[in-house]
Amino acid sequence: DGGITQSPKYLFRKEGQNVTLSCEQNLNHDAMYWYRQDPGQGLRLIYYSQIVNDFQKGDIAEGYSVSREKKESFPLTVTSAQKNPTAFYLCASSIGGGQLSPAYGYTFGSGTRLTVV
Amino acid sequence: AQSVTQPDIHITVSEGASLELRCNYSYGATPYLFWYVQSPGQGLQLLLKYFSGDTLVQGIKGFEAEFKRSQSSFNLRKPSVHWSDAAEYFCAVGARGQNFVFGPGTRLSVLP
Repeated sequence: DGGITQSPKYLFRKEGQNVTLSCEQNLNHDAMYWYRQDPGQGLRLIYYSQIVNDFQKGDIAEGYSVSREKKESFPLTVTSAQKNPTAFYLCASSIGGGQLSPAYGYTFGSGTRLTVV
Repeated sequence: AQSVTQPDIHITVSEGASLELRCNYSYGATPYLFWYVQSPGQGLQLLLKYFSGDTLVQGIKGFEAEFKRSQSSFNLRKPSVHWSDAAEYFCAVGARGQNFVFGPGTRLSVLP
């Protein structure tokens, strides 16, 4: 079955460490997204990518970095510059481009919960 | 710019009661509208969507939503709530060439 796989499900980070969250999709979607979710808050966009080797900052990109070397992969690195990284991180993908592309919606992974220890 | 509001942060209903979750959007043209559901610790699952045609759309798990252009609303309804419906619900609006905008979510609690 096609879908999005996020790993690990739980991740612990020490102060000053960089950690990388994995997101892989086999839906052949062009666009991929990273969201951060905090308790009682909605989804905030961190980074997004419409095509391979290209990505753009979202609303809260500071302290994060991404790469898009392959269509199916969009890893997110939480750097030591992110002062409050404890949150639930969601990866999503969409068909991208085309007149009716929004109609297909976004497909989400099951998330990674990052905790600073 | 698009925006989405969900006026109710938290709603509690009794099992078997009817449910309506409100969603209002701001967008110049006809938007692409979605409802997603999120169980604790999980990702978001698409419940239903609207972008043209019949303004009453049916989704999974017995949910439906009605698009009302005059009120800029896309409210989610279910005639009889089950305990398993307890979750967080997000309304979202999409448009060609733009990222989706998600509402802040409504948390649904179900009393036995």
